[in-house]
Amino acid sequence: NAGVTQTPKFRILKIGQSMTLQCAQDMNHNYMYWYRQDPGMGLKLIYYSVGAGITDKGEVPNGYNVSRSTTEDFPLRLELAAPSQTSVYFCASSYSRQGDTEAFFGQGTRLTVV
Amino acid sequence: DAKTTQPPSMDCAEGRAANLPCNHSTISGNEYVYWYRQIHSQGPQYIIHGLKNNETNEMASLIITEDRKSSTLILPHATLRDTAVYYCIVKPGNTPLVFGKGTRLSVIA
Repeated sequence: NAGVTQTPKFRILKIGQSMTLQCAQDMNHNYMYWYRQDPGMGLKLIYYSVGAGITDKGEVPNGYNVSRSTTEDFPLRLELAAPSQTSVYFCASSYSRQGDTEAFFGQGTRLTVV
Repeated sequence: DAKTTQPPSMDCAEGRAANLPCNHSTISGNEYVYWYRQIHSQGPQYIIHGLKNNETNEMASLIITEDRKSSTLILPHATLRDTAVYYCIVKPGNTPLVFGKGTRLSVIA
């Protein structure tokens, strides 16, 4: 049982390049989330999904896209990387029981845009 | 709008209880109090949550005031490994976690 797995762990992108951050969970959780964390700050919600085929915007969705074709996977797409997207990205998942949504987080992807 | 207020930092001596306060004076009746922590640059880790009653698990205790406007997370015997940023989050069930800046707890030998 691996939990939430994020790949890659580190990546350097040039301005204007595109990439996909991968996130997979093996806990059969229906909820999945993407957060970013800038240095010295708390986590900000980018997008989330309550199930396959359903996604919704969070606090800071601009510059990102997501899709949820399976329960297990929730990739985050950066189309035109900008220096402002330099951050640590965390994926998380949880099971939607009423009032009992303990979320499990991956170890993060550290992205630098230069 | 910040739903919770936490002190930016606290120190605690190793082996002593760490008491982390959280103010949530505008909490609604259907909102839970959740605590997570983030050790160094790792992903956040769930600690505990509650609605009205005090809760205890193997990691910590959560004390919620009767009016639910504030709560305290208690780590009964803090160790150096408990040094982390602790986040108090108030939200209804089945909604995403929204993080503030949390409290940076330093456990000192």
